[in-house]
Amino acid sequence: DIQMTQSPSTLSASVGDRVSITCRASQSMSTWLAWYQQKPGKAPKLLIYKASSLESGVPSRFSGSGSGTEFTLTISSLQPDDFATYYCQQYNSYSTFGQGTKLEIK
Amino acid sequence: QVQLVQSGAEVKKPGASVKVSCKASGYSFTSYYMHWVRQASGQGLEWMGIINPGGVSTTHAQKFQGRVTVTRDTSTTTVYMELSSLRSEDTAVYYCARSTASGYYDYWGQGTLVTVSS
Repeated sequence: DIQMTQSPSTLSASVGDRVSITCRASQSMSTWLAWYQQKPGKAPKLLIYKASSLESGVPSRFSGSGSGTEFTLTISSLQPDDFATYYCQQYNSYSTFGQGTKLEIK
Repeated sequence: QVQLVQSGAEVKKPGASVKVSCKASGYSFTSYYMHWVRQASGQGLEWMGIINPGGVSTTHAQKFQGRVTVTRDTSTTTVYMELSSLRSEDTAVYYCARSTASGYYDYWGQGTLVTVSS
């Protein structure tokens, strides 16, 4: 199984900040990686797929990069609606999620 | 529009089984895979299993070997996930989620809380 290690587990930031979240895979997986945003009591929402493709309707301040074993989600200028928990998901071999990153208001 | 509507919350005793449904609408049901993902309170997401578009092939995570069954009814465009031999650690919100062959999830159900308690 491919293990996904996401960091940091918690991130404190302010509106307008640029932030990045990293996901590392236990083995190379090309670009078969997605990022999701989840708010309390809600289902996850797809942000990025194939490592860097922006899902339709997702603001352009969200971007993804990486390939192989290291991937990054970047939010260029945090908005109040962005404070949530973020998960990476590998789908190279079935599916595995990272542990999640809670983005908090500083 | 695409919708995945899941059945309501369940309370079960240890050792029992639970069957959660996920009714799909707004798209070609037989063209997409359906996955089940669960999330314990305050915890991360855990993939459980998948049924392919043809409804013939299913695969599940090794952790759930022998306990999870995923089926579907094309006539009602509904996918089911049955989990048996329930234990307290199975208390979680269970989600269905749609994917293409690529494997990322573009639509999710609203979630079904399953509580296992004596």
